[in-house]
Amino acid sequence: RKEVEQDPGPFNVPEGATVAFNCTYSNSASQSFFWYRQDCRKEPKLLMSVYSSGNEDGRFTAQLNRASQYISLLIRDSKLSDSATYLCAVTFMDTGRRALTFGSGTRLQVQP
Amino acid sequence: EAQVTQNPRYLITVTGKKLTVTCSQNMNHEYMSWYRQDPGLGLRQIYYSMNVEVTDKGDVPEGYKVSRKEKRNFPLILESPSPNQTSLYFCASSLTSGRKFFGPGTRLTVL
Repeated sequence: RKEVEQDPGPFNVPEGATVAFNCTYSNSASQSFFWYRQDCRKEPKLLMSVYSSGNEDGRFTAQLNRASQYISLLIRDSKLSDSATYLCAVTFMDTGRRALTFGSGTRLQVQP
Repeated sequence: EAQVTQNPRYLITVTGKKLTVTCSQNMNHEYMSWYRQDPGLGLRQIYYSMNVEVTDKGDVPEGYKVSRKEKRNFPLILESPSPNQTSLYFCASSLTSGRKFFGPGTRLTVL
């Protein structure tokens, strides 16, 4: 079983739609959580960190559910420019070091 | 401008010909790491470094070497590249092992 799992998609949604992605992680001792955005053939860029109480940045809302071991990303009022792959990343302790593990990504395609 | 740079951006080579991909950051970050990204497998860590002269294996270190002689540089060395090392490679740096800043990527093809 992968340590961090995401639905690869693609999620095809019309402009203005609300879309949500989930990411599950296997290590209950995971400590920090992030969402990255990656455009085609480009480097991943941090979209937002995910805090225990949930956090919002404009149209984006991230939430953490420790009991069920998943994080989520909600995008409201989707724009064409939101089309990208969204990677979740989780840190956990691994043989004495903090390791950051990425999911394989969920592809979002926003259509006009 | 704060950034991570990698060179070359694209490289086509042949099996067995040693190559080095350079990585440099100007943010005075202690943590640096190398990832490879393959379809369906996501980003996998090759090696990481917590500081100068401190390096350790990630999840897929076989066939790679690294060095960290200066804080800003973290080159990735393939002593004898093989076709299964054809991939998209990213260097990343961070203050801790959390939030990372990635370089633009190096697309490597080994024939």
